[in-house]
Amino acid sequence: DIVMTQSPDSLAVSLGERATINCKSSQSVLYSSNNKNYLAWYQQRPGQPPKLLIYWASTRDSGVPDRFSGSGSGTDFTLTISSLQAEDVAVYYCQQYYSSPYTFGQGTKLEIK
Amino acid sequence: EVQLLESGGDLVQPGGSLRLSCAASGFTFSSYAMSWVRQAPGKGLEWVSTFSGSGGSTYYADSVKGRFTISRDNSKNTLYLQMNSLRAEDTAVYYCTKGDGSGSYSPSDYWGQGTLVTVSS
Repeated sequence: DIVMTQSPDSLAVSLGERATINCKSSQSVLYSSNNKNYLAWYQQRPGQPPKLLIYWASTRDSGVPDRFSGSGSGTDFTLTISSLQAEDVAVYYCQQYYSSPYTFGQGTKLEIK
Repeated sequence: EVQLLESGGDLVQPGGSLRLSCAASGFTFSSYAMSWVRQAPGKGLEWVSTFSGSGGSTYYADSVKGRFTISRDNSKNTLYLQMNSLRAEDTAVYYCTKGDGSGSYSPSDYWGQGTLVTVSS
């Protein structure tokens, strides 16, 4: 099974500042035949179901603000929020969909400093 | 508009059974992979099972393999999860999710509101 490890577990950032969340997979999720990373990022606000933010490691889902960006390849990935807004308070999860079981990271709780 | 409406969550005794349903609308149900993801109280997300939209392949987490069965009725636009031999550690909110493609290797682009399953005596 591919183990997904996020860091940090929690993060406090001032409004308007940058937030960076890391995700590391225990094996590569890059499929060589199409050069795509099978890695997604989700946002879960308090009391809400998760919402897809990023897929293929760096493609924003429809309607996601451009302050959210994803980067990385192979085993190391990053979610960046360029200028934190109050509505970004949430838990963020990465997930690999390269191979079953399609494992999630443990989550990173993002708060306002 | 894509909608996913879960139902069937309940309080059940250890060793008991339950069937969850997910009524889907707003998209061509048969063309997409569908999954169940669960979240224990105060915990993170755990992928449970996926039914591909093409070929009918199914996939399970080791924690539920042999106890849970995912199925779908494309004529009713409904996804199911039959849960047998339930354990306390199965207590969670169960989310129905839609894949963004037909293959099992699809991120979940839509999520339902979830249904709570509580396993306790």
